[in-house]
Amino acid sequence: AQSVAQPEDQVNVAEGNPLTVKCTYSVSGNPYLFWYVQYPNRGLQFLLKYITGDNLVKGSYGFEAEFNKSQTSFHLKKPSALVSDSALYFCAVREKSGTYKYIFGTGTRLKVLA
Amino acid sequence: EAGVAQSPRYKIIEKRQSVAFWCNPISGHATLYWYQQILGQGPKLLIQFQNNGVVDDSQLPKDRFSAERLKGVDSTLKIQPAKLEDSAVYLCASSFASGGYPQAVEQFFGPGTRLTVL
Repeated sequence: AQSVAQPEDQVNVAEGNPLTVKCTYSVSGNPYLFWYVQYPNRGLQFLLKYITGDNLVKGSYGFEAEFNKSQTSFHLKKPSALVSDSALYFCAVREKSGTYKYIFGTGTRLKVLA
Repeated sequence: EAGVAQSPRYKIIEKRQSVAFWCNPISGHATLYWYQQILGQGPKLLIQFQNNGVVDDSQLPKDRFSAERLKGVDSTLKIQPAKLEDSAVYLCASSFASGGYPQAVEQFFGPGTRLTVL
């Protein structure tokens, strides 16, 4: 079965430190990969995506993500965390064939401590 | 540009009652999605429309859920009758098709409707 895993329910990091939010997937072929962020009482907002090409993708608010085909991972990173980055982060994959279904992970809550 | 609009924002109903949610996507977005997000879980796709046609409704509980997008613009999602396990946030999202990689476009989400079934 196709799936997306975010192994950490919560990640705590001190402000100014680098952060990583992990995502691995199990989908046939090479899917499109996305990260979304959800702030309280708001809908999901797009951060970045991987389509093809360079494995390091840069997105909004200083976030970047690295696609690793051999490990089927797409970890979200930021060199220096801000308190305002505290939110719920979702990894998502989209099949490149069939119904092009979106599959979301269960989310990782990021807490940046001042 | 106006975002995806949803109403109501909150709804509380008794089990076995009916409820309807409304979504107005971003102008020009041909694809519209309805998701169910249960507390502590990621969004689960219920139905995807391309214009006014259904692309994927494989995870829609069709015995109680229905959705329509009659004119290819706004959409309604209905639950009849509601069960306790339907308590969730219902998210609407839309996207447009871009030339090179039409399936790689990101989705734009509305604020969601929080449904509580008592």
